[in-house]
Amino acid sequence: EDQVTQSPEALRLQEGESSSLNCSYTVSGLRGLFWYRQDPGKGPEFLFTLYSAGEEKEKERLKATLTKKESFLHITAPKPEDSATYLCAVTGGDNYGQNFVFGPGTRLSVLP
Amino acid sequence: GAVVSQHPSWVICKSGTSVKIECRSLDFQATTMFWYRQFPKQSLMLMATSNEGSKATYEQGVEKDKFLINHASLTLSTLTVTSAHPEDSSFYICSAGRGTQHFGDGTRLSIL
Repeated sequence: EDQVTQSPEALRLQEGESSSLNCSYTVSGLRGLFWYRQDPGKGPEFLFTLYSAGEEKEKERLKATLTKKESFLHITAPKPEDSATYLCAVTGGDNYGQNFVFGPGTRLSVLP
Repeated sequence: GAVVSQHPSWVICKSGTSVKIECRSLDFQATTMFWYRQFPKQSLMLMATSNEGSKATYEQGVEKDKFLINHASLTLSTLTVTSAHPEDSSFYICSAGRGTQHFGDGTRLSIL
């Protein structure tokens, strides 16, 4: 059974204090690992898709990396507007693009 | 801009009422859409897969007679919560896409 765990559950950073969020996964035949950002009362907003170990993607202060067992979302010099819940999801096997298995998320708070 | 639109964003109604939620793909045709449920501070749980022109497939434990799904066109799927009760109160989110899933902004359902 596909599983996704995320750590830490919650993270509080000072503005400018860089850190990383972890997503560990177990899936048979990873087809894609996805990072989303979710603000309270909103649907998840797409950030990145990673397909194979060694792949990296960047967007503004965010950088996502992927290994065979986990993914990291690195946040460099975060700002208060980066505060949100960050969700990781995987899809694999014959279900590419179909059943997304989500992790529980990391609630990030960036204090000014 | 948004590629998946969900309506309404917030519903409050009396117990026993049926509530319909719409999910539209704006920029593409979606033969498959997904419906999720999210409880406070928890991640998304897949409820069902909506298939255009055929019956939806439901996840284990989800009552298909309670949560009626209709996917009548390539851009619209609807979720009807029939005879809603307070325990059905939740945040319902839809998604669509090829590979990467894009999410609607969710519907907050409150049953009194």
